[in-house]
Amino acid sequence: DAGVIQSPRHEVTEMGQEVTLRCKPISGHNSLFWYRQTMMRGLELLIYFNNNVPIDDSGMPEDRFSAKMPNASFSTLKIQPSEPRDSAVYFCASSLEGEGYGYTFGSGTRLTVV
Amino acid sequence: RKEVEQDPGPFNVPEGATVAFNCTYSNSASQSFFWYRQDCRKEPKLLMSVYSSGNEDGRFTAQLNRASQYISLLIRDSKLSDSATYLCVVDSGGYQKVTFGTGTKLQVIP
Repeated sequence: DAGVIQSPRHEVTEMGQEVTLRCKPISGHNSLFWYRQTMMRGLELLIYFNNNVPIDDSGMPEDRFSAKMPNASFSTLKIQPSEPRDSAVYFCASSLEGEGYGYTFGSGTRLTVV
Repeated sequence: RKEVEQDPGPFNVPEGATVAFNCTYSNSASQSFFWYRQDCRKEPKLLMSVYSSGNEDGRFTAQLNRASQYISLLIRDSKLSDSATYLCVVDSGGYQKVTFGTGTKLQVIP
């Protein structure tokens, strides 16, 4: 299995631009999570999906952030417009219901907004 | 009070030493507990689950103290390769939802 695949690995963009992060979960996993990691705040859950349905988006910082999961093998996290304070590493993770909380993380997208 | 609190460290220990980390949690209803390991500029990876009776995996031992609401991780005979940040993880009571601590950094010195 290729694991959780995220793209791009690195993204540098100018303030005000739209940014789209992509995630392909492990085949067969039915829960998907988007996390953001910074030195100051650690790992923060932004949103998670179960069977492609958003369950909890209370961690999404504001309306500039949106996430979709159109099918079981793909999810996007979009920031529009981006701001310098959005600079962070964004991780996607997936897990299989019934196997506890054994998340598998992708390698992350390192986002820098200048 | 934060949901999950850890001493950020760093813990600098010589090879072969025994080191222990604690992590406190605030939600008394939490049922599931884990330790994850994160190497520099890498993603977190599950190290071990923490069971009520305590559990051991080679040089690693995890313990749970529900009365005092903390979990611990003990590493014996530290190796250079153990250098990483160790994240305490506690379920948040929501479906499949957990909270990560900010991590404890361990540096094993030759």
